[in-house]
Amino acid sequence: SQELEQSPQSLIVQEGKNLTINCTSSKTLYGLYWYKQKYGEGLIFLMMLQKGGEEKSHEKITAKLDEKKQQSSLHITASQPSHAGTYLCGADISGSARQLTFGSGTQLTVLP
Amino acid sequence: DSGVTQTPKHLITATGQRVTLRCSPRSGDLSVYWYQQSLDQGLQFLIQYYNGEERAKGNILERFSAQQFPDLHSELNLSSLELGDSALYFCASSPFDEASNYGYTFGSGTRLTVV
Repeated sequence: SQELEQSPQSLIVQEGKNLTINCTSSKTLYGLYWYKQKYGEGLIFLMMLQKGGEEKSHEKITAKLDEKKQQSSLHITASQPSHAGTYLCGADISGSARQLTFGSGTQLTVLP
Repeated sequence: DSGVTQTPKHLITATGQRVTLRCSPRSGDLSVYWYQQSLDQGLQFLIQYYNGEERAKGNILERFSAQQFPDLHSELNLSSLELGDSALYFCASSPFDEASNYGYTFGSGTRLTVV
């Protein structure tokens, strides 16, 4: 979706390295969701951010929301092969929280 | 297993045909959402039902229709199929009419191939 831009499109990192994925919206963000998808499988919910400046962490994954910049970042510390997959950001830009607009995804490969 | 069940997992059909995709939401969830994922369009919202009522509509073609039954399972009907309808169709569910802090729970999808 052009309303939600993710970067980079793909990322190859060595195991143990840190990495950051960005998600930028052209519209006001009412909620930002991060999901992980293994190829051809369903999406796994990682975390949701709603308030400007909000930051959440789960294990080695941290997500932040910059409301003013309408941007979110997902940071993985000390990456592992289990982190490999496609990361998708989904945003509520309608304000209804009934439908999400998704970015095109970032494909992450972690080399052992 | 996410708790959201989609059947069938794979479907191959010819152009012009009609198919029905089925989704059983996670136990206790009242909302069902349908999404289409294709290589060129990415993940696109189609439609949402809450407790049997249509609540939100996205980029759903007129050839597509959906409904949610009293037992809360949902069906997505795709008719007059075209090659471009080949995609992964996901169903997601949530407890509420609107997305919560826990997002949606997605099923594993139905891969539709139109030949």
